[in-house]
Order: sequence, then structure tokens, then C-alpha cells
Amino acid sequence: SQELEQSPQSLIVQEGKNLTINCTSSKTLYGLYWYKQKYGEGLIFLMMLQKGGEEKSHEKITAKLDEKKQQSSLHITASQPSHAGIYLCGADMNSGGSNYKLTFGKGTLLTVNP
Amino acid sequence: NAGVTQTPKFRILKIGQSMTLQCAQDMNHNYMYWYRQDPGMGLKLIYYSVGAGITDKGEVPNGYNVSRSTTEDFPLRLELAAPSQTSVYFCASSYGVYPYEQYFGPGTRLTVT
Repeated sequence: SQELEQSPQSLIVQEGKNLTINCTSSKTLYGLYWYKQKYGEGLIFLMMLQKGGEEKSHEKITAKLDEKKQQSSLHITASQPSHAGIYLCGADMNSGGSNYKLTFGKGTLLTVNP
Repeated sequence: NAGVTQTPKFRILKIGQSMTLQCAQDMNHNYMYWYRQDPGMGLKLIYYSVGAGITDKGEVPNGYNVSRSTTEDFPLRLELAAPSQTSVYFCASSYGVYPYEQYFGPGTRLTVT
């Protein structure tokens, strides 16, 4: 079974709409990393969350980690075509934290129609 | 800084052939990683290294080998290529201290036929 579940698998939105992508695990997430990937390119780091209840924002993207540290959400406000791509979450799921090996979700493909 | 670079960008191999995927980083990162990405399957860790001369297996190491003779370079060797190794390969690097944010290269798209 997949240790890190992402939902939805794909998402099509109209430009200007808000959207949310989720990343869920049955295990504790000691560090949660969000990446964006454009087709044919590498992954670009967006944000990292560590503490339960933590929230970070960059431009129109907000990421949150729940208090139990088992679910993270990525919210995009007023989406633009430049937001299109694959969003992946990666997590340190080893007890005690401070582990450099990350487990990745399968990704969410976001399409933004003009 | 160039960041993490990978060569080649594309490659087609015949079954049984061998090749080396090159990866280099100029950020003086101690930790380096090799992943493969299959459609709809996310990233799977193949091998990783915590410093020059130190490597270890990840989740899917069979059919691959690595070496780390310098801090900058971390080549991935495919011996006796098989169709199951058709994938996109990503190299990444990170600092040796938390939070271990990983920086990724642009990837190598490999097809084995």
C-alpha cells in the first residue's frame, strides 16, 4: 500500500479558481516537503513543514500541516496557467525525524484552463 | 551556480547494453540521491550517498550501481539494461543537516527496447 496518498490524482480548474491538493498518511509526518514539477523537467522545491499546525505561504500558494502531523494540504488561490504542473509531496516518515530519505506521493496533475 | 546537472537528457538503449547516467552538483552538498519516476508512480529511491566514498541502497536498487569518489559527482550505472528500467531518472542533492531540502536535476529520460 502507498504510504503517502495524494488526492486528487488530477485536477482541471478554470483560471482564477481556488484549489486544494491533499497529502495523507497513516504515519506521522516528521517533515513534509511540497514540490512542483513541470512536464519534462525536474522538481522545484516549494515549501517544507515540520510542526503540527504549521502553515506557510509563498505568493498564492499556502501549505498546511495538521495538528496530528498526518495530513498536509496545498492551497492555490486565484489559479493561473503558470500554476499548471505536477505537485508532489515528500515526507520524512521515520520516527525521531532528522532522516534525509524521503517517501514521495504519486503526484497530482494540475491543469489550469485560461 | 549550475545546481544539479544531469547528462544525457535522453537515451535509448537496447536490451543488455550498459550505460552510465552522470550527475554533478556544485553546491557542496554532502548528500546525493538517485530516483526513478514511472508514470503515475511517484519517485522511488534507487541509491543514495551521504558523502564521498559512502553509498547505500534505497528502495529499488536491483540492476543499478553507484559510486561516489568526489563530493560533486554521483554517477548511476546500469548494467545489462532491461525494459523494466525504462523510466525517467532524477538525481538530487541536499545539505547534510536538517531540513534536508533536496535540489533536483532536470532528469534523464531512458528507454530500453
